[in-house]
Amino acid sequence: AQKVTQAQTEISVVEKEDVTLDCVYETRDTTYYLFWYKQPPSGELVFLIRRNSFDEQNEISGRYSWNFQKSTSSFNFTITASQVVDSAVYFCALSEAGGGSEKLVFGKGMKLTVNP
Amino acid sequence: DTGVSQDPRHKITKRGQNVTFRCDPISEHNRLYWYRQTLGQGPEFLTYFQNEAQLEKSRLLSDRFSAERPKGSFSTLEIQRTEQGDSAMYLCASSSGGDRGFYQPQHFGDGTRLSIL
Repeated sequence: AQKVTQAQTEISVVEKEDVTLDCVYETRDTTYYLFWYKQPPSGELVFLIRRNSFDEQNEISGRYSWNFQKSTSSFNFTITASQVVDSAVYFCALSEAGGGSEKLVFGKGMKLTVNP
Repeated sequence: DTGVSQDPRHKITKRGQNVTFRCDPISEHNRLYWYRQTLGQGPEFLTYFQNEAQLEKSRLLSDRFSAERPKGSFSTLEIQRTEQGDSAMYLCASSSGGDRGFYQPQHFGDGTRLSIL
């Protein structure tokens, strides 16, 4: 069974601080994808990043970076030099390759508030 | 590139009424998904279409729910005899993919917020 756990429910930081969002996942598939989505107050889910299970190379994209570790089943996401516009709910999600639909299984989300 | 469009944005109805939502995916996307999101939770998968074929349904999709995608373009989600527990945000997503479509991220619409009085 697929499961995504985001242990943090809410974080509040001051602008320009770095913030890391934790995500732990469970899957029996060997081929899967991990995602981070952002949901601002307007409600639309915005795709941020995707990683496949065969590539544990960690990358940086602008102010975003991620740390994928299969050994601990974790896929953490860091925002560097946070800005007020980063305030949103962030969801980690998992999609298995063997299921056909590649439906997304989401965590419960983590609300980030960046204060000026 | 026009994104995923959902209509209406908000729907308020009395318990027991039927409601229908529409989703227009990104034009070249052949995969379409419906999710439901309740307050404080992540979205939960409801159903999936590849072109016009409905290929997977969640156990969350009771008999009162039906979804169609008649020509492989837009989709509708109908809820019959609505109940209080149906109050939620209903999200539509689309992605492109053929045999190797697995790697394509899903793009979401703004959602339809349903409130049952």
